[in-house]
Amino acid sequence: AQSVTQLDSHVSVSEGTPVLLRCNYSSSYSPSLFWYVQHPNKGLQLLLKYTSAATLVKGINGFEAEFKKSETSFHLTKPSAHMSDAAEYFCVVRVPTDSWGKLQFGAGTQVVVTP
Amino acid sequence: DVKVTQSSRYLVKRTGEKVFLECVQDMDHENMFWYRQDPGLGLRLIYFSYDVKMKEKGDIPEGYSVSREKKERFSLILESASTNQTSMYLCASSPDLIPSSYEQYFGPGTRLTVT
Repeated sequence: AQSVTQLDSHVSVSEGTPVLLRCNYSSSYSPSLFWYVQHPNKGLQLLLKYTSAATLVKGINGFEAEFKKSETSFHLTKPSAHMSDAAEYFCVVRVPTDSWGKLQFGAGTQVVVTP
Repeated sequence: DVKVTQSSRYLVKRTGEKVFLECVQDMDHENMFWYRQDPGLGLRLIYFSYDVKMKEKGDIPEGYSVSREKKERFSLILESASTNQTSMYLCASSPDLIPSSYEQYFGPGTRLTVT
């Protein structure tokens, strides 16, 4: 079985400071991992994905995430938050044994950026 | 760009009504998915389809059915709407047979209120 846990339901940061969104997964197999972002009243957009290549993954809008197998973590970071980063972020896992590409979503982290 | 469209952004229905939510994708994707999104629960998979006229239950199929008569269109049906089906509904699609990817592309969502 596989699951994904986002450790913070809400994160508040000041503009220009670093952002850290924490995600832990459990999987019996080497997983594919994703971060999606959802801006208010918008659909989900892929930020980045890990698929067993480089463990440090760079995504759009200056975000990156590091896959740490020993810690079963896939935390999302950004060096300097921008007001436009205010959104909800989802950590997602896909198990290779599922042939249909089903995804399992974390509960989400709401990010607030203050001026 | 992949485009996934949903027929309505907002919908208000009465208890007991039959409700149809429509989703169309324009990238010839084999797989299509219906999720519901509730605060604190992330996205939960209702049904998915891997081919025309084929469907599989997701994690929470009770009270829902689906139809896929054409490759580009995937419909979610609430046979008799109930208040506990008030939620945001998201449609997604993905191409098949890309083992390192399995990225899903999402529509903007339909916010359904059942009164």
